[in-house]
Amino acid sequence: GAVVSQHPSRVICKSGTSVKIECRSLDFQATTMFWYRQFPKKSLMLMATSNEGSKATYEQGVEKDKFLINHASLTLSTLTVTSAHPEDSSFYICSARLRADTQYFGPGTRLTVL
Amino acid sequence: GESVGLHLPTLSVQEGDNSIINCAYSNSASDYFIWYKQESGKGPQFIIDIRSNMDKRQGQRVTVLLNKTVKHLSLQIAATQPGDSAVYFCAESLGLTGTASKLTFGTGTRLQVTL
Repeated sequence: GAVVSQHPSRVICKSGTSVKIECRSLDFQATTMFWYRQFPKKSLMLMATSNEGSKATYEQGVEKDKFLINHASLTLSTLTVTSAHPEDSSFYICSARLRADTQYFGPGTRLTVL
Repeated sequence: GESVGLHLPTLSVQEGDNSIINCAYSNSASDYFIWYKQESGKGPQFIIDIRSNMDKRQGQRVTVLLNKTVKHLSLQIAATQPGDSAVYFCAESLGLTGTASKLTFGTGTRLQVTL
């Protein structure tokens, strides 16, 4: 139980294009999902908290117009990286909250912007 | 700001030995702690958690110890196996709903299991 999937697992795009990453909770409903970013050999940094049916809450320093988050259902949240640039290349990981404070993570999406 | 840190960035142990991974946290208000395992190119995998009203919790081959006095957390892995090789992160939160359930991750410790 508590499986979270992400799609795509890898994506390569050109500078200036937008990329959408999906996060799904497969066997449970999640009113709250989280989006993290991880650089090589570094820890996870929380980007934003995604709440079903409401606007996402962004962490300080994260551009909300750059990283668009939509949580339209209890099992799906999407992160769209708009006008991507090489510095946006990273490993993006989502998590879904099952109980009050337990998060289960997706397998991550490797984004490479050329 | 508040942070969670680890003492050892890399830990090398022999197969069959016990491993101990340490973590120091600085937010005295945190009351929920989790250990995650992350293999290369994958997302973090939940290992074990503990609440602040406990000082020890055991799982299958893993034990988490919490010392609130010195704000220290440790993960013990018994009879370490090659499949345990990964990066281990501790994380803390306030353990409540809403924004308080955000996790703050430590810097990670790489566990290398040698044959």
